[in-house]
Amino acid sequence: QSVLTQPPSVSGVPGQRVTISCTGSSSNIGADYDVHWYQQLPGTAPKLLIYANSYRPSGVPDRFSGSKSGTSGSLAITGLQAEDEADYYCQSYDSSLSVVFGGGTKLTVL
Amino acid sequence: DVQLVESGGGLVQPGGSLRLSCTGSGFTFEDSPIHWVRQASGKGLEWIGRIRNKLNNHATNYSEPLRGRFTISRDDSKNMAYLEMNSLKTEDTAVYYCTRPAPGIGYDAFDIWGRGTLITVSS
Repeated sequence: QSVLTQPPSVSGVPGQRVTISCTGSSSNIGADYDVHWYQQLPGTAPKLLIYANSYRPSGVPDRFSGSKSGTSGSLAITGLQAEDEADYYCQSYDSSLSVVFGGGTKLTVL
Repeated sequence: DVQLVESGGGLVQPGGSLRLSCTGSGFTFEDSPIHWVRQASGKGLEWIGRIRNKLNNHATNYSEPLRGRFTISRDDSKNMAYLEMNSLKTEDTAVYYCTRPAPGIGYDAFDIWGRGTLITVSS
């Protein structure tokens, strides 16, 4: 069981907006630690998608955005495209000096 | 190109040991903490632990469930980090990644990942 909780799956049609939630606790996200998001395509390593809650690394389309509030973070994808079909993971830091991940969310583009 | 490359994976029997290597290039390896993360087939990402840079005395931290069986070390003269795994169990079967936190952007956002190396623990 992961420290951060994500929905196992979400889906949407091309062009739609989808969101993925990431719920933590007062010892991680709620302790003011940043939330980061990764995209993992099948058979590949994770790719940093959003860092420090809402910042995009160079090269990540602005269709991807992140936010944080309280003990939760959220990833939004607008203008959904077929190539967005992947697994998405949130990550934060815990006051136990550990990096913690969410269990992952599989995005299906219908 | 900035990259990390893992090596040393393979088949090992339950109870056995294995050492993975992670070689960095294209960046100042000695300045960078290095983390290890694993992923069992069809499962999520699991943080194993980190080794900090020389400035932070190469301090290590581990995931609580793995502490005691896994040990992370580094040799900055070779631009390499290592993951030593002992008393391996079938549930340790996974792809093992090394990764580095992006410099200067907060708590451990991992911008560079290796391709991973597969460890299979089976008799």
